[in-house]
Amino acid sequence: GAVVSQHPSRVICKSGTSVKIECRSLDFQATTMFWYRQFPKKSLMLMATSNEGSKATYEQGVEKDKFLINHASLTLSTLTVTSAHPEDSSFYICSAPETRDLFGPGTRLTVL
Amino acid sequence: AQSVTQLGSHVSVSEGALVLLRCNYSSSVPPYLFWYVQYPNQGLQLLLKYTSAATLVKGINGFEAEFKKSETSFHLTKPSAHMSDAAEYFCAVSEDYGQNFVFGPGTRLSVLP
Repeated sequence: GAVVSQHPSRVICKSGTSVKIECRSLDFQATTMFWYRQFPKKSLMLMATSNEGSKATYEQGVEKDKFLINHASLTLSTLTVTSAHPEDSSFYICSAPETRDLFGPGTRLTVL
Repeated sequence: AQSVTQLGSHVSVSEGALVLLRCNYSSSVPPYLFWYVQYPNQGLQLLLKYTSAATLVKGINGFEAEFKKSETSFHLTKPSAHMSDAAEYFCAVSEDYGQNFVFGPGTRLSVLP
């Protein structure tokens, strides 16, 4: 069935570096994907909507220049956390309505 | 605008006891409602969803939820708690199926032996 995969599942990086997170659709084409963020011991919040071939739509309060989203193909959406800092440490999850569980497995980012 | 409240950030039950996790929502249109479970350091697992068919929805692991429009509620229940049910539970609403989820704050379920 239709699922989304995320890579990497876990990443640790130094402060100031950039990290790219990939969300791939398997067995279907995703024109739209959603990116959510979960702070430690908190709930999930929508960060942005990723649209294939066009600019992402960001939620209020989300820095576009810090969280770069690219959806260059129907099977891949990427989230790049630029110049990461410890406060960016979170669980990042992509979502596609076509999938059974509607969410990918997530990527845990830890910024030292 | 959508919103979700979950009464009780932490619920403790004894093994074998009834589990009741509360969820109330606000939506300007007939909503799609979801319950997810999250185990420590893991992703979200869909327990069940309401998509305007039957108001009583049965999910995995013996959980079920009932959509009550008049009460704007979608409480999650399980007749008999198991130790493996200990986890964080999130209720979520989506006005357009699978898009723009709004999550509740979550309820941590502890199951006591």
